[in-house]
Amino acid sequence: QQQVKQSPQSLIVQKGGISIINCAYENTAFDYFPWYQQFPGKGPALLIAIRPDVSEKKEGRFTISFNKSAKQFSLHIMDSQPGDSATYFCAASIGGAQKLVFGQGTRLTINP
Amino acid sequence: SAVISQKPSRDICQRGTSLTIQCQVDSQVTMMFWYRQQPGQSLTLIATANQGSEATYESGFVIDKFPISRPNLTFSTLTVSNMSPEDSSIYLCSVDSSYGYTFGSGTRLTVV
Repeated sequence: QQQVKQSPQSLIVQKGGISIINCAYENTAFDYFPWYQQFPGKGPALLIAIRPDVSEKKEGRFTISFNKSAKQFSLHIMDSQPGDSATYFCAASIGGAQKLVFGQGTRLTINP
Repeated sequence: SAVISQKPSRDICQRGTSLTIQCQVDSQVTMMFWYRQQPGQSLTLIATANQGSEATYESGFVIDKFPISRPNLTFSTLTVSNMSPEDSSIYLCSVDSSYGYTFGSGTRLTVV
């Protein structure tokens, strides 16, 4: 019930392509869904987040698509760049200032 | 967003010893979270630390092994006690700021 399942585990995309990472959850009480980007040797950095009252949120080249009925959400990176190569984590939480439950992570590689 | 400073950034420790990790935030926060990230893995919550009360530990983590202090609203420590090689991980603190959950850069611990 508390799990967030993320796929794929690794992803290779050509420069300029679209990177898509998917997550699924079971607990319908989750109401906050952030995505984090982590570079080697660094802590995760918040990329973009969404709440279940909207189906899509876009910030620059990053878009979250949210499907409440399917209990799935995904991250789309448009015009992927080599600098986007990192590990991406989806997460979910219930309410404000509560613990995050993380997906397993996706190692993204953008080939130049 | 809140700025988190974690010390030390990395350490190599002998088994059987203890290491205390410090987390300093540049603003007052109610809750601080401690996570563990094992090599190549996702983040797992160890405990939640509220100022003025005992920390709340997640299943699989106990206070004797991971004692936590929270003396004020900007500071917390996590001690990894009686270390074994299995404790080799990155330990991260996190806070919920107005921008969302922010993470420190982490402490990379190697136990030999």
